[in-house]
Amino acid sequence: DGGITQSPKYLFRKEGQNVTLSCEQNLNHDAMYWYRQDPGQGLRLIYYSQIVNDFQKGDIAEGYSVSREKKESFPLTVTSAQKNPTAFYLCASSGSDGQGASGYTFGSGTRLTVV
Amino acid sequence: AQSVTQPDIHITVSEGASLELRCNYSYGATPYLFWYVQSPGQGLQLLLKYFSGDTLVQGIKGFEAEFKRSQSSFNLRKPSVHWSDAAEYFCAVGLFSGGYNKLIFGAGTRLAVHP
Repeated sequence: DGGITQSPKYLFRKEGQNVTLSCEQNLNHDAMYWYRQDPGQGLRLIYYSQIVNDFQKGDIAEGYSVSREKKESFPLTVTSAQKNPTAFYLCASSGSDGQGASGYTFGSGTRLTVV
Repeated sequence: AQSVTQPDIHITVSEGASLELRCNYSYGATPYLFWYVQSPGQGLQLLLKYFSGDTLVQGIKGFEAEFKRSQSSFNLRKPSVHWSDAAEYFCAVGLFSGGYNKLIFGAGTRLAVHP
């Protein structure tokens, strides 16, 4: 079955370390997204990518970086510059229908904790 | 600007009672509307979506939603709530902007179910 796989499910980071969250999809979707979720704050967009080798900053991109070398993969790196990285991270993908009707398919998330 | 408002941050209902979660949107054109559900520690799952036609749409898990253009609303309903429905619910409007599909999410409503 097609879907989005995020790994790992839980991740622990020491202060000052960079960590990379994996997101892979086999839905043949063009667009992929990364969201951060904190209690009571809904979903906040970090980065998105419409096509391979192209991506744009979302609302809270500082301290994060991404790459899109393959259509199926959109890894997110949380750098040491992100001062408060403890959160739940969600990856999503979407087809491009030219209308906005496709909606998103979400992964099951990665919970990152700074120790 | 497009926006989605979910007026209720928390709702508590008794098991077996009826449920209505409110959603209001601001969008100039005919909207594509979505409801997603998120169980604790999980990704978002699509409950239902409205594109056009019949204003009452049926979704999974016994949920339905009604689109009312005059009120700019897309409220989610369920006749009899089960304990497993306890989760967070997100309303979203879909549009095509900047060359890609974009979802604008509401802040979410957290549903608690009393036995």
